[in-house]
Amino acid sequence: DVKVTQSSRYLVKRTGEKVFLECVQDMDHENMFWYRQDPGLGLRLIYFSYDVKMKEKGDIPEGYSVSREKKERFSLILESASTNQTSMYLCASTPTRIGNEQFFGPGTRLTVL
Amino acid sequence: QKEVEQNSGPLSVPEGAIASLNCTYSDRGSQSFFWYRQYSGKSPELIMSIYSNGDKEDGRFTAQLNKASQYVSLLIRDSQPSDSATYLCAAVSSGSARQLTFGSGTQLTVLP
Repeated sequence: DVKVTQSSRYLVKRTGEKVFLECVQDMDHENMFWYRQDPGLGLRLIYFSYDVKMKEKGDIPEGYSVSREKKERFSLILESASTNQTSMYLCASTPTRIGNEQFFGPGTRLTVL
Repeated sequence: QKEVEQNSGPLSVPEGAIASLNCTYSDRGSQSFFWYRQYSGKSPELIMSIYSNGDKEDGRFTAQLNKASQYVSLLIRDSQPSDSATYLCAAVSSGSARQLTFGSGTQLTVLP
């Protein structure tokens, strides 16, 4: 079974802090994604990556950056957290570039005070 | 902006009934479509994928695709209380990025 893990289930940070959300997948998938999910807005793509050291902006990249130094790990960085970044963050991976089933991690519920 | 639209619900059906969930998409070039189920506080899990016009059945679930009408649906037969969840429709974009665009989800409640 594919396993996607995220570093924290719940996280509370203060405005202005730098926040790192880590995602690791164990199935050698090439493609990894970061989404945020908010009530009524569904899943929105923040960034994605098709290869190591490669990243592309999704629909809502503002205020976020990413890092992919190893194939299995994709990190989401909030350079200076703000209250409007309070959300559920979901990481996903998929083996092929052409649209395919995405496997999701358990999610990180981030609260920015 | 490519969009996937779903009726947010909530949709309530009695146990044993058929639940019908609908989705429309704006990207006429989309070829791949998925239905995910998401329980409260959990991450989405794939329950159906469909790529061709027509029906695809898997147990109690049937996905239907009509590319001419840009319409995807999910039927759940013999609905059970354990089917109560939010159902997300997703479409693969036709652009080079081939990313998934999700609808905002339909909340389904199956009443015992």
